[in-house]
Amino acid sequence: QKEVEQNSGPLSVPEGAIASLNCTYSDRVSQSFFWYRQYSGKSPELIMSIYSNGDKEDGRFTAQLNKASQYVSLLIRDSQPSDSATYLCAVNTGTSYDKVIFGPGTSLSVIP
Amino acid sequence: GAVVSQHPSRVICKSGTSVKIECRSLDFQATTMFWYRQFPKQSLMLMATSNEGSKATYEQGVEKDKFLINHASLTLSTLTVTSAHPEDSSFYICSARVGGDNQPQHFGDGTRLSIL
Repeated sequence: QKEVEQNSGPLSVPEGAIASLNCTYSDRVSQSFFWYRQYSGKSPELIMSIYSNGDKEDGRFTAQLNKASQYVSLLIRDSQPSDSATYLCAVNTGTSYDKVIFGPGTSLSVIP
Repeated sequence: GAVVSQHPSRVICKSGTSVKIECRSLDFQATTMFWYRQFPKQSLMLMATSNEGSKATYEQGVEKDKFLINHASLTLSTLTVTSAHPEDSSFYICSARVGGDNQPQHFGDGTRLSIL
């Protein structure tokens, strides 16, 4: 059973701090990795995609991928109260690239 | 770009009713769409992969006769929950992808289904 794991949280950080969200996956041949943000009662929205080892930055967000360790993370710099949401890690299945598996999500709360 | 529209956003109906949910890709063509279900405080669970012009691929444990999927065009997939019961109450979300298998999915706004 291929899995994607995340700490469920809640993760609380003060406003302006860096929030660090982590994700591990079990399928060694996965090649596409995504971070989504989901506000309560809403559908997920894409934050970032990452495909290669290393860091990828987009504004206040940085995704980090380490395929050898089967680990992907998301850093949010200068966290804002509006960043309070559940963050979902998604990984393509490898054997069936058509699908992705979503992690359980990490709830982030940014305290003003 | 990559806008996915889902309708209706909310449905409340009596037990035994069949409910149809539409998912449209507004500015791109989608040969593949995905249907998810999400219960409160839980993550997304893939129900089925909808393929334009062919039968949907259902995940294990999802009843294909209960959840009918039709993908008749490159911009429209529908999910029909047949003879819905209270246990079918959930948040149903569709998604579609622009481009190849390694591209991210873009989600519709979801449909909150409540069966009385």
